[in-house]
Order: sequence, then C-alpha cells, then structure tokens
Amino acid sequence: GAVVSQHPSRVICKSGTSVKIECRSLDFQATTMFWYRQFPKKSLMLMATSNEGSKATYEQGVEKDKFLINHASLTLSTLTVTSAHPEDSSFYICSARDYSGRRDTQYFGPGTRLTVL
Amino acid sequence: GEDVEQSLFLSVREGDSSVINCTYTDSSSTYLYWYKQEPGAGLQLLTYIFSNMDMKQDQRLTVLLNKKDKHLSLRIADTQTGDSAIYFCAESLLSGGYNKLIFGAGTRLAVHP
Repeated sequence: GAVVSQHPSRVICKSGTSVKIECRSLDFQATTMFWYRQFPKKSLMLMATSNEGSKATYEQGVEKDKFLINHASLTLSTLTVTSAHPEDSSFYICSARDYSGRRDTQYFGPGTRLTVL
Repeated sequence: GEDVEQSLFLSVREGDSSVINCTYTDSSSTYLYWYKQEPGAGLQLLTYIFSNMDMKQDQRLTVLLNKKDKHLSLRIADTQTGDSAIYFCAESLLSGGYNKLIFGAGTRLAVHP
C-alpha cells in the first residue's frame, strides 16, 4: 500500500508552547489529508479535513485557532497545536486520501504521541 | 446518525479462528473497512468491502457483510500471535465530495498459546 509518514513520532513540550506535526504522502499526491486524535483505548476522532490550497474543514467541537492546519503542497500537511496544555496530550494520526485508482482510500501515518507537561 | 459499534475485547487460542463483529447505522455507506493497529503505531488497512458485496476473502481474512442488518464481520483463520492488535471497523460516508471515515472503538484481539 501507499506510504504516509509523520514527524515527529513523539514530542514532549511545556505547557503554553506550540508544536508542529508534519504529515507526508511519500509515493502519491494527496489533495486531501485528514487529522485524527486518538485517546487511550478509544477510537479515532476526526478533527479536520485538510485540503491542498484551501482552508481546512473542522469537525464540530474542534477549535480552529487551537489546531492550525496548513496543506501547502500535494504531499504535505501540517498540524500545529498552539499554546498546548496537558489536556492536548494525545496520539495524533494523519491520513492521506488516494483517489488515483478505482476506489477512494485513506492511508494512515504512524502517529505522533504528544505529551504536554 | 453516524455510529459504529464493536465489542471491545476478544481472546483466542493460537491456531483457532477469530471473528470480530461490527455494526453500523448508516445504510448509505459505500465502503466498509477493517484496519489493524499495533501498539504505538498508526493504522494499517487490512481489507475492505464494497457495500454491494456479501463476502470478500483475502488469504486468511474473510469479510462478511449483511447489509440488511448493517452487520460486518472479520474472520481471521489460523490466528497467530502476530495478529494480536486492535482491529477497527470503519464505514465511509460521502461528505463534502469525499469519503469520511467513521470508526468503531476497536476490538482488542489477544492471541494466547
């Protein structure tokens, strides 16, 4: 299957700082990428849809100013957690949409574990 | 509404078959997916089934879809210890021109000798 990478895989930061997470599709172009958040032993919660060259679409209850998304190229989307607080600690997973074949598939990155102290 | 439900835990003996069940609510789902997540890792697409199919087999994996009951199952034949992971069922719903995935809470599969 297609390859999606995330960087960093793990980050620890102090409360009040901002953290940027990168999501890259390595072997295909993705006009659409998705950002999910996963709480311990819980399912994935879709946070927002990132569209190349346009504004992200946020799910209900997700703060746009808190979670800044930029999709500047067909292979890169970034999620910036601004003024992070301990409750933002979570596992963040991105996926990239591959619509090149007969079906519409999302390929997931390995995730980024964020710990806010 | 959008809701996908799975049992949370399944324990099987190595070599036996595992069956993981999932129910969903939206009958307009186009595709249904099974993803595998190992500890500390992202999601790996295992298999998928188009909504007009009843069954799909892929090596040790068999997916059954009962569209009338909105029930999906994943059978893993000859379960191995390497199959221990969390398995997520997901339905896709067309939203804003793309397929949005709605995930279940995941079934933790434990394989013991």
